[in-house]
Amino acid sequence: GQQVMQIPQYQHVQEGEDFTTYCNSSTTLSNIQWYKQRPGGHPVFLIQLVKSGEVKKQKRLTFQFGEAKKNSSLHITATQTTDVGTYFCAALTDSNYQLIWGAGTKLIIKP
Amino acid sequence: DAGVTQSPTHLIKTRGQQVTLRCSPKSGHDTVSWYQQALGQGPQFIFQYYEEEERQRGNFPDRFSGHQYPNYSSELNVNALLLGDSALYLCASSRDRSDAGNTIYFGEGSWLTVV
Repeated sequence: GQQVMQIPQYQHVQEGEDFTTYCNSSTTLSNIQWYKQRPGGHPVFLIQLVKSGEVKKQKRLTFQFGEAKKNSSLHITATQTTDVGTYFCAALTDSNYQLIWGAGTKLIIKP
Repeated sequence: DAGVTQSPTHLIKTRGQQVTLRCSPKSGHDTVSWYQQALGQGPQFIFQYYEEEERQRGNFPDRFSGHQYPNYSSELNVNALLLGDSALYLCASSRDRSDAGNTIYFGEGSWLTVV
């Protein structure tokens, strides 16, 4: 079945450093969605990418969808303590009925 | 405009018992999906309901069943609970669209602990 691989599992950064998480699929994706989940919370929708090569920005967050629509990345510039949480990518299956989720990347700010 | 609401937020059950979780979708949404999220993992799709019928099902046993009512609200039932059913159960709502631009909204989830 369709799978989405996400790396790394964890990323420790000093506050002010950048953070990046990557998602890859062996099959072409119709779209990719990104979510943030705070500790003890529920996934919160961040953005959706649908076009090949698409790049979208939300303040310090930059989202990219690969030209082949098989990979995506989320980059956070100058991390802040409010960025702490787990970032998930998720892709709709061909039927558009279910989301296939990556394993998530946990952003940890070093004290 | 109320978002997706789920109840209860937390509950503890004993192995072998049955549980019912409830979800009211976002106003204007007619499609409800249920996901199970074990600790430290990404959500796993259980099933989706549309027009009061199960439209698609993930890789979950028959112990997991659901229902959708005419007002689009939904229930998730789990019978014969196992310790491994302990997880966060998420309800997601959306408007039924065939294109890929469908925004999905999640509720805050129901934390189920099986002891």
